[in-house]
Amino acid sequence: GQQVMQIPQYQHVQEGEDFTTYCNSSTTLSNIQWYKQRPGGHPVFLIQLVKSGEVKKQKRLTFQFGEAKKNSSLHITATQTTDVGTYFCARGSQGNLIFGKGTKLSVKP
Amino acid sequence: EAQVTQNPRYLITVTGKKLTVTCSQNMNHEYMSWYRQDPGLGLRQIYYSMNVEVTDKGDVPEGYKVSRKEKRNFPLILESPSPNQTSLYFCASSLSPPLAAYSYEQYFGPGTRLTVT
Repeated sequence: GQQVMQIPQYQHVQEGEDFTTYCNSSTTLSNIQWYKQRPGGHPVFLIQLVKSGEVKKQKRLTFQFGEAKKNSSLHITATQTTDVGTYFCARGSQGNLIFGKGTKLSVKP
Repeated sequence: EAQVTQNPRYLITVTGKKLTVTCSQNMNHEYMSWYRQDPGLGLRQIYYSMNVEVTDKGDVPEGYKVSRKEKRNFPLILESPSPNQTSLYFCASSLSPPLAAYSYEQYFGPGTRLTVT
């Protein structure tokens, strides 16, 4: 019911290629957060999306929230080796944050 | 520096030997929580606390206890650890509890890698 599904589970790209990860829900999301976890590190907050159709950019990262607020995506343009890590989406619920299983990105130089 | 600290960072123990993982934050955050991270399963919430003396179960609370006697500390207690509790544990805090309408940024600690043999 409240789970968020992330696809793909793994993505291997050549440096310079684009990358997209998707976060889907069967129910309407009130808000969605994105986190990045570097190898051996801890999750670090990237952004929160709240409005239907919202698009936010952080340098080469573009975050989108679907019009129906049931999905979200993170797109990285021209990946670099520093983008390596696992990207998680998380939905807010009353009292807790529910994380997707993440997309692990590897970048070949 | 605003941060969440956890201790120990690494721990190898034996089945049944009680242990405590400490978590402390210096940001005056109301909300604190514990997650475990296992390959292929992502981050699963163990317990969370909305404020001092208020704690509640997350998705995987079995075998764990917590307490919140002070705002800054939120220890995770394993009364009788078992091998299936071998995992990477993260403590996190945020200004206020996540809500359906809005959620504040979660700040994560560096993690505690626990091995139970």
